[in-house]
Amino acid sequence: SQQGEEDPQALSIQEGENATMNCSYKTSINNLQWYRQNSGRGLVHLILIRSNEREKHSGRLRVTLDTSKKSSSLLITASRAADTASYFCATDEGSQGNLIFGKGTKLSVKP
Amino acid sequence: GAGVSQTPSNKVTEKGKYVELRCDPISGHTALYWYRQSLGQGPEFLIYFQGTGAADDSGLPNDRFFAVRPEGSVSTLKIQRTERGDSAVYLCASSLIHLENTGELFFGEGSRLTVL
Repeated sequence: SQQGEEDPQALSIQEGENATMNCSYKTSINNLQWYRQNSGRGLVHLILIRSNEREKHSGRLRVTLDTSKKSSSLLITASRAADTASYFCATDEGSQGNLIFGKGTKLSVKP
Repeated sequence: GAGVSQTPSNKVTEKGKYVELRCDPISGHTALYWYRQSLGQGPEFLIYFQGTGAADDSGLPNDRFFAVRPEGSVSTLKIQRTERGDSAVYLCASSLIHLENTGELFFGEGSRLTVL
């Protein structure tokens, strides 16, 4: 099963532009995480935001969480060609302990 | 090693054969997860271990799939009577589990299974 749904499915931008990806989920959560995956590689954790947080920053990343709308956004500022990858949001399901991933947004940053 | 290690990295087998995929998590991580990822899709949850026991195996698609973690470290995902639809990348991840919140997952590079 997949909890999160990312939007858009694919995004193509020029280097230096900002990239915004959105994620919607269905059930209540304790936290939401964003991961990045380069083609043919494993996933790498980017940032975790807890349900009682509204915004979090890490370097060029900014994540927001709106629990009333069950949605989150990931903003990458001043994008670089090296940011080209797929980005996934993942949510826990109450206290189960597992993470459920969405289908991802494929980001292409052109130099 | 410092990261999650998965072997083999690639496995090609024939329909009907038995396959084992191995995951060696980060030392000290009590939680271990198996996911399956098809091309262009997100990781699909299969099973999650807390220590030696399967805390949640609700993602296993059918009884051909089984996973063990006998000593609370290395885990093996076993697939019997493989079918072409089992072809995917099988990802393993580990984490320091928090009692109330799922922590950050550390992923291996995956095992690409191709069933001919």
